[in-house]
Amino acid sequence: AQSVAQPEDQVNVAEGNPLTVKCTYSVSGNPYLFWYVQYPNRGLQFLLKYITGDNLVKGSYGFEAEFNKSQTSFHLKKPSALVSDSALYFCAVNPPNTGFQKLVFGTGTRLLVSP
Amino acid sequence: SAVISQKPSRDICQRGTSLTIQCQVDSQVTMMFWYRQQPGQSLTLIATANQGSEATYESGFVIDKFPISRPNLTFSTLTVSNMSPEDSSIYLCSAKEGSGSGPGELFFGEGSRLTVL
Repeated sequence: AQSVAQPEDQVNVAEGNPLTVKCTYSVSGNPYLFWYVQYPNRGLQFLLKYITGDNLVKGSYGFEAEFNKSQTSFHLKKPSALVSDSALYFCAVNPPNTGFQKLVFGTGTRLLVSP
Repeated sequence: SAVISQKPSRDICQRGTSLTIQCQVDSQVTMMFWYRQQPGQSLTLIATANQGSEATYESGFVIDKFPISRPNLTFSTLTVSNMSPEDSSIYLCSAKEGSGSGPGELFFGEGSRLTVL
């Protein structure tokens, strides 16, 4: 079955410190991978995606993610966290056998950045 | 990027009634999707709505419960029929920008939060 795992319900980090939000996937073939962020009372916003090429992709708001095929992971990172980064983060995969029409989401990780 | 507007943003409904959620996109899009986000849970795809054809429903979702319309390339509606408290959720409209069928990011509306009493 196709699935996405975000093993941490919540990640706490102090402002200015680096942050990592973990994501692993279980999908046959070569999926496309995405990160979305959801601020309180808002819809999801696209952060970044991996389609092909360089394993390190850069996205909005200074975020980046590293694709690791051998570990089937796509962890989200930022070198220096801001309090305004506090939000709910979703990892998602676009399985190839769906014709690239669907996204399968992880359960989300709440990021809390303290001042 | 496309801007998606949903109405209503929230509503409180009585058991047994139906509610229609409207989704308007500010540009023409081929594919629109309806997701459900239950409290404390991830997003679950309800159906894919393409203009000019019947919506395609995911396992566990049926047309009688969640009828969908897609009259043109910028608009869609989702109706939650005969509601029960278990339907209390956030319903999200999304669209894939562009007309191609290849991979691409989705854009989401701000969601419609339904509470069924």
